[in-house]
Amino acid sequence: EVQLVESGGGLVQPGGSLRLSCAASGFTFSSYWMGWVRQAPGKGLEWVANIKEDGSEKNYVDSVKGRFTISRDNAKNSVYLQMNSLRAEDTAVYYCMRDMWFGEANAFDIWGQGTMVTVSS
Amino acid sequence: QSALTQPASVSGSPGQSITISCTGTSSDVGSYNLVSWYQHHPGKAPKLMIYEGSKRPSGVSNRFSGSKSGNPASLTISGLQAEDEADYYCCSGKVFGGGTKLTVL
Repeated sequence: EVQLVESGGGLVQPGGSLRLSCAASGFTFSSYWMGWVRQAPGKGLEWVANIKEDGSEKNYVDSVKGRFTISRDNAKNSVYLQMNSLRAEDTAVYYCMRDMWFGEANAFDIWGQGTMVTVSS
Repeated sequence: QSALTQPASVSGSPGQSITISCTGTSSDVGSYNLVSWYQHHPGKAPKLMIYEGSKRPSGVSNRFSGSKSGNPASLTISGLQAEDEADYYCCSGKVFGGGTKLTVL
């Protein structure tokens, strides 16, 4: 079964750090871009970051550049999001997703259930 | 990059059809960056419903259809069912629309 399972969310104080993990199964992980999307309470979906198959290329939304780092370990079929200098506005459910190129455009075809990150004192 | 523009809400009765629009700029939807559409039930994982503007992944009902290209892009749901009630998002590249809440009356 194709599956993504996130972990690592929780409550953290402003300025703190958290590392999210996403374990993939059921597909050849090393052949796909992977990424993260978040949804703040009462808000819509927001693309956060993605990473190339071999980890050689990474992209971030402007609001997290310099604070978040995406990485992957193809031997462990896992992708990570290291979040530093966290702010209240980073509070959200964070979804791991597979970023699939279909030939003419990309789309996010596999999603995890999400992990909640709350930044509050 | 600004979010794509969607109506905040749409509604329809069971069996009817509804269309959700997704308006972008010349650098995304307008430049033929083909849109994908996602269904999101609160508390669940989002689900890909349409990719490359008009293609359906395996397992998605043919009641869901999308416009191939153009600005605005659109998602049409025909034969509305109660389980279609959810939030719907368009996306072009790395930019999502603001989301549309579909209510089935």
